[in-house]
Amino acid sequence: TQLLEQSPQFLSIQEGENLTVYCNSSSVFSSLQWYRQEPGEGPVLLVTVVTGGEVKKLKRLTFQFGDARKDSSLHITAAQPGDTGLYLCAGADQGGSEKLVFGKGTKLTVNP
Amino acid sequence: DVKVTQSSRYLVKRTGEKVFLECVQDMDHENMFWYRQDPGLGLRLIYFSYDVKMKEKGDIPEGYSVSREKKERFSLILESASTNQTSMYLCASSLWSYEAFFGQGTRLTVV
Repeated sequence: TQLLEQSPQFLSIQEGENLTVYCNSSSVFSSLQWYRQEPGEGPVLLVTVVTGGEVKKLKRLTFQFGDARKDSSLHITAAQPGDTGLYLCAGADQGGSEKLVFGKGTKLTVNP
Repeated sequence: DVKVTQSSRYLVKRTGEKVFLECVQDMDHENMFWYRQDPGLGLRLIYFSYDVKMKEKGDIPEGYSVSREKKERFSLILESASTNQTSMYLCASSLWSYEAFFGQGTRLTVV
């Protein structure tokens, strides 16, 4: 079974700070997705990265897919309280099924 | 926009009851999934379906069954609810084997 390890597990920062969260695996993924989940709600898709080395930007969020397609990072510039939530990475299972493999998430708190 | 709708936000059921959780998607997606989410354990796949009347077990199918009679609807059934099934249940759909779209979740408490 492929595993995705996310770090850190918890992160508490002040408004305006920058941060990076990581998603790592020993397996190659054809694509990785990042989701954000707010308390009591379902995860919402933020981005999909497909090509090794790919960088995608979504306003203050920058997503990078590792060259070997085994890892990804999410960088947030000038974090705001509205960025608070659980950030999940997920990858398509390479075993031929339609399953997604999820990391356990990084719980981010941005304090005003 | 894709919409995935779960029938209840909150449910309280008694031990031993048969519980039905319903999920409907409006984007004609082939794949549908049921996950449960618990603190420290992340999202764990219970069952998924890649076509009408087709289903496959996920990582934790024990104590659960599913039904997919129509493409847009995927039901999760707890045959005899137990307290260890108290959890957040999330339904999702996808067209490909990525980019899942989730419902709002059902917080189930079994007492």
